[in-house]
Amino acid sequence: QVQLVQSGAEVKKPGASVKVSCQVSGYTLTELSIHWVRRAPGKGLEWLGGFHPEDGETIYAQKFQGRVTMTEDTSTDTAYMELGSLRSDDTAVYYCVHIDFDDYGTLDSWGQGTLVTVSS
Amino acid sequence: DIQMTQSPSSLSASVGDRVTITCRASESITTYLNWYQQKPGKAPHLLIYGATRLQSGVPSRFSGDGGGTDFTLTISSLQPEDFATYYCQQSYITPPITFGQGTRLDI
Repeated sequence: QVQLVQSGAEVKKPGASVKVSCQVSGYTLTELSIHWVRRAPGKGLEWLGGFHPEDGETIYAQKFQGRVTMTEDTSTDTAYMELGSLRSDDTAVYYCVHIDFDDYGTLDSWGQGTLVTVSS
Repeated sequence: DIQMTQSPSSLSASVGDRVTITCRASESITTYLNWYQQKPGKAPHLLIYGATRLQSGVPSRFSGDGGGTDFTLTISSLQPEDFATYYCQQSYITPPITFGQGTRLDI
């Protein structure tokens, strides 16, 4: 059973950066494909990017290219998502999620979510 | 990129009703279609995968159908705990991972 535990809520000013962590347990990070999804108020789910096993690398959604960086620390089994040049419309709950590409690409384990609020 | 379109965007129903939510892909995704339920303040969780397969632990009143470009999620008899937002998601051609815009199911 994969368990994902995220860092706490953040409040940032426009133009700043935020870094959210996702601690993995039950498996090692190298066994998993961790991605990041967000839900802004009144909006739907939006994929930001993650490790894509077919490509063997981290892939970012075009919309976030140049603003987002996803990294992994295998020594602590922790994944990170850093989003820069924050704007008010980046206010959202950010989720780390494991995608099982061997089973219909299901998002089968989710972190509890991290609220990021961007406000001056 | 494959676009996913859900309908309706919102729906009002009563306990005991049968409801159906539709998801259409912009091109064929065979059966690589998954459905999720999200309640306020909670992370989404997987209901149906591979278009028709019920995730372990999900009540049998939930069912999925379809293939190619057209898919449905049906709840046979609504229970109070089913009032939530539902999303479809395609995994046939990735990246990117794409979702429908969501269907909010209200009492």
